[in-house]
Amino acid sequence: KAGVTQTPRYLIKTRGQQVTLSCSPISGHRSVSWYQQTPGQGLQFLFEYFSETQRNKGNFPGRFSGRQFSNSRSEMNVSTLELGDSALYLCASSLEPGPYGYTFGSGTRLTVV
Amino acid sequence: AQTVTQSQPEMSVQEAETVTLSCTYDTSENNYYLFWYKQPPSRQMILVIRQEAYKQQNATENRFSVNFQKAAKSFSLKISDSQLGDTAMYFCAFMKRAAGTYKYIFGTGTRLKVLA
Repeated sequence: KAGVTQTPRYLIKTRGQQVTLSCSPISGHRSVSWYQQTPGQGLQFLFEYFSETQRNKGNFPGRFSGRQFSNSRSEMNVSTLELGDSALYLCASSLEPGPYGYTFGSGTRLTVV
Repeated sequence: AQTVTQSQPEMSVQEAETVTLSCTYDTSENNYYLFWYKQPPSRQMILVIRQEAYKQQNATENRFSVNFQKAAKSFSLKISDSQLGDTAMYFCAFMKRAAGTYKYIFGTGTRLKVLA
């Protein structure tokens, strides 16, 4: 059974650009959540999607957006990149929203220069 | 608001020994869930153990066990017979039901190094 797949693993972007990150959950998992991980702030919740609907959103500016497709794959987009957006972006999936624990991907390391 | 505190930024332990990682949380909820996740250098976070707050019995998974003290709002992780592969960041997490979905809050992590 394939795990949670995040692409790309590494990304370098210039300030002001936009970026799209992709996440394919475990087969059968319909809930996908995104987190931003930085050394100073730890894991900060971005969004949660279930059945193509955003169920929950963290406290991030509108430059951060996401979506989920009918096959449960999810993308997140960050527009007008800032240096402070440099982070590890983690995707996590579960069967459905609930207290089951997540399966995480290996993340996308985004560096903004 | 709920908070999760891991007061030990870094710890080390000799191989084959036992180590305990601490976690405290603050909540007024009565029904919630607690988790420990491990993040090795490969970056992929792995669920180590899960505890339901309404269960008195401490969760155990092989060499990993928790000491759940609900009144004290404490949820420590004990790793027995430490192995080199246990070297990782360990995150404590709190989850509760909120607004039709579930909300997770993570602690800032403890970096554990197992020494040969």
